[in-house]
Amino acid sequence: EAGVAQSPRYKIIEKRQSVAFWCNPISGHATLYWYQQILGQGPKLLIQFQNNGVVDDSQLPKDRFSAERLKGVDSTLKIQPAKLEDSAVYLCASSLGRGGDNNSPLHFGNGTRLTVT
Amino acid sequence: AQSVTQLGSHVSVSEGALVLLRCNYSSSVPPYLFWYVQYPNQGLQLLLKYTTGATLVKGINGFEAEFKKSETSFHLTKPSAHMSDAAEYFCAVSNNDMRFGAGTRLTVKP
Repeated sequence: EAGVAQSPRYKIIEKRQSVAFWCNPISGHATLYWYQQILGQGPKLLIQFQNNGVVDDSQLPKDRFSAERLKGVDSTLKIQPAKLEDSAVYLCASSLGRGGDNNSPLHFGNGTRLTVT
Repeated sequence: AQSVTQLGSHVSVSEGALVLLRCNYSSSVPPYLFWYVQYPNQGLQLLLKYTTGATLVKGINGFEAEFKKSETSFHLTKPSAHMSDAAEYFCAVSNNDMRFGAGTRLTVKP
C-alpha cells in the first residue's frame, strides 16, 4: 500500500510569513494526525481528525495555526504568521481507527522540515 | 490524560551488547503502548505494540518489550545490538490519541 504522502519536504520562510503543508493519508484511514517535532524532542500532537471532524486540537496554537480536512481525506496545516520557534519537522500520520480504540498504530509520512529565519 | 517518560535521552552500547531503553507511562485507563523508531532523515516506523493479552511483545528487528502494570513500565530490549540499530526510539501511549515521549537516541559502538 502507498504510504502517507507529505509535501513539501523542506520549506524555508522568514518570520511573519505564511506557510502551508499538505498531507495525503493512506487510503481508507479514517484518522489523521498532525504532529510537531522540534529538534531533540518527541512528536507533539497538534491536531487529530476523525474523518473530517476534529477530535483533539487542545495543543494547537489557534492564534496562528489552522488545519482542515474538508473531504475527510487530504489535510492541510497552515501557519500564519510564522515565528522563529515554529522551526520544526511537521509530521502527518494516519491510522485505520482512532489510536487506542482499534489498537490502530500510526503510519507516518516523512515530514516537512520548516525553517523560520 | 496519559503521558510517557523515557529515562535517558542518550544510550550508548557496544555492538553485540544488550540494549535496554526505558519507558514509564501514566494513564487513567488500561493503556495501549507502542515503540517507534526513527532512522536519520526518515519518518517514524512502528517497532511493536501492546494492546491486550501477552505482556511480552515481540517486534521487528529482534526487539521486544514487556508491559509491567505494577511498575507502569514498557521497557524496550534487544539481546544483541547491531550497528544498524542506531536511531532515535520513541515510546508512546494511546487512549484515543497518541502521546510520545521525548525519545532516546541509541548509539552503537563497533
